[in-house]
Amino acid sequence: GNSVTQMEGPVTLSEEAFLTINCTYTATGYPSLFWYVQYPGEGLQLLLKATKADDKGSNKGFEATYRKETTSFHLEKGSVQVSDSAVYFCALKGNYGQNFVFGPGTRLSVLP
Amino acid sequence: DAGITQSPRHKVTETGTPVTLRCHQTENHRYMYWYRQDPGHGLRLIHYSYGVKDTDKGEVSDGYSVSRSKTEDFLLTLESATSSQTSVYFCAISESLAGSPDTQYFGPGTRLTVL
Repeated sequence: GNSVTQMEGPVTLSEEAFLTINCTYTATGYPSLFWYVQYPGEGLQLLLKATKADDKGSNKGFEATYRKETTSFHLEKGSVQVSDSAVYFCALKGNYGQNFVFGPGTRLSVLP
Repeated sequence: DAGITQSPRHKVTETGTPVTLRCHQTENHRYMYWYRQDPGHGLRLIHYSYGVKDTDKGEVSDGYSVSRSKTEDFLLTLESATSSQTSVYFCAISESLAGSPDTQYFGPGTRLTVL
């Protein structure tokens, strides 16, 4: 079946540091890929998505590129802020069926 | 932001009592989902709906039932709550794209404590 693997963290960075959160997936065909962010006490918010190979999703300075050859969708940001402290979830929606698969989440803490 | 509300936002109940959580959307999306989120388990799908009166089980459906009598409302019922159902419950919606669900959007969550 479909699955998502991501680094669980926690990840602790200083403000303005470069961020990478790795995400790899297993799926047949060409799934859609997503990154969600969850701030304390809130629901998951869509951060970005990509629906086909080599697509780059971007939002709020975050980027991720759909790499079919390495089955990866790593999240990056060039300069993190304290306000980026949250839990980040990688997810996929397969070509078949109706359900989504989520990774375990990666907690990011950014220190001033 | 997608128009999704959940009620109640917080609830404390006792073991053995019935509990109903409500998810309401104003987006007219076809698909609706109930998840639970627990430390160490991530997000787990309980039930989902692919249309009015059309529902199916997820990976952790035991002890839960759902109903969808209108497009905008999806109810989750714990017939007899147990302490293992203490969790944060999230509703999600997605619109149909070529007959399949597209991006999921989440509600704010309901924190349920079963004593």
